[in-house]
Amino acid sequence: KAGVTQTPRYLIKTRGQQVTLSCSPISGHRSVSWYQQTPGQGLQFLFEYFSETQRNKGNFPGRFSGRQFSNSRSEMNVSTLELGDSALYLCASSLRPGANEQYFGPGTRLTVT
Amino acid sequence: AQSVTQLGSHVSVSEGALVLLRCNYSSSVPPYLFWYVQYPNQGLQLLLKYTSAATLVKGINGFEAEFKKSETSFHLTKPSAHMSDAAEYFCAVSNSGGGADGLTFGKGTHLIIQP
Repeated sequence: KAGVTQTPRYLIKTRGQQVTLSCSPISGHRSVSWYQQTPGQGLQFLFEYFSETQRNKGNFPGRFSGRQFSNSRSEMNVSTLELGDSALYLCASSLRPGANEQYFGPGTRLTVT
Repeated sequence: AQSVTQLGSHVSVSEGALVLLRCNYSSSVPPYLFWYVQYPNQGLQLLLKYTSAATLVKGINGFEAEFKKSETSFHLTKPSAHMSDAAEYFCAVSNSGGGADGLTFGKGTHLIIQP
């Protein structure tokens, strides 16, 4: 069974631009969560989607948004990029919310210049 | 609110020696606890999880962890370190199985294996 895939793997953007990252969960998994990883703040929960609905959101500004499609694939969008948004963005999938295993993708490395 | 504290941002052990990575948690309800490993330029891989079934949890690659409620700890151990164990290790806690409310991670411990 294929794992969680994230595209693109690497991205360089300029401050003020917007970016969209994509995540395809493991087949059959319907819950997708997003995390931001930075050297200073570590791993932080962004949001979780299930059945095309955002179920929970971490403490991030409104510039960070996401959505989930009917096939469970998810995208996250960051608008008006700031230098501090440079990070590894990780997507994790699970069978359903509350499932006690999340499977992580390799991440998208975003660099904002 | 839940939180996780990992003691020691870097731990160095000799190959063949005992590995001990410390994790203490804070949770208002019985927690679900996890250890993840991250190799360079990769995502996170689940090593093991505690979901109240047994206090001693065995995971992959020879790792195990013991849940001690009285000490609010969930330390990760491996009897004999291997060079391939060099990586970043994260302890995480969830109040709802690791999904619905997201995982709260510790800052991570970088494990260095000396030849």
